[in-house]
Amino acid sequence: DTAVSQTPKYLVTQMGNDKSIKCEQNLGHDTMYWYKQDSKKFLKIMFSYNNKELIINETVPNRFSPKSPDKAHLNLHINSLELGDSAVYFCASSRREGQGGGYTFGSGTRLTVV
Amino acid sequence: AQSVSQHNHHVILSEAASLELGCNYSYGGTVNLFWYVQYPGQHLQLLLKYFSGDPLVKGIKGFEAEFIKSKFSFNLRKPSVQWSDTAEYFCAASNTDKLIFGTGTRLQVFP
Repeated sequence: DTAVSQTPKYLVTQMGNDKSIKCEQNLGHDTMYWYKQDSKKFLKIMFSYNNKELIINETVPNRFSPKSPDKAHLNLHINSLELGDSAVYFCASSRREGQGGGYTFGSGTRLTVV
Repeated sequence: AQSVSQHNHHVILSEAASLELGCNYSYGGTVNLFWYVQYPGQHLQLLLKYFSGDPLVKGIKGFEAEFIKSKFSFNLRKPSVQWSDTAEYFCAASNTDKLIFGTGTRLQVFP
């Protein structure tokens, strides 16, 4: 069974569209995260949720809206997509916020905005 | 501000060569340290982690790292690399807040 699963794996869309990426973890972890990896491979945290509560929001444009219906799911909705949103988005989870027993990453969603 | 820096951006080695990738962190208080590997087109995998105790940490695939508190460093080492070690390597750190990554080091190993 996949521990942290993201869908879709690839997403190609036009500028201005709205899209969602889904993430689910079956590890029983309390905290989930979204990271963005840009074209230079730099990884930056976007959001973290602990038990459905938003903990970290790293100056991400408000076109990005995370939603956590329960502690096993953290979805990312993006409105009015821009070219600069093209990146690989990784979902991750951890047992407790900041505890890297550690962080388990999903396989990533490669978003291409054209 | 909390930060992680990796000074080697691109390392090219021949098989059987020894590897050392540098990592320095800037954190106040207790810090947990990690090395992750990302093989081409794949997700991040944990190589090893340090929380406390023995500063020499052994990980998977023959990798090890040494935590040197006085130098704020957590360098990754492998005595003899293989072609299959070609990948991107990320150092990362966290305390009770979030996991912060370095900029990554691209390792290319030639047969």
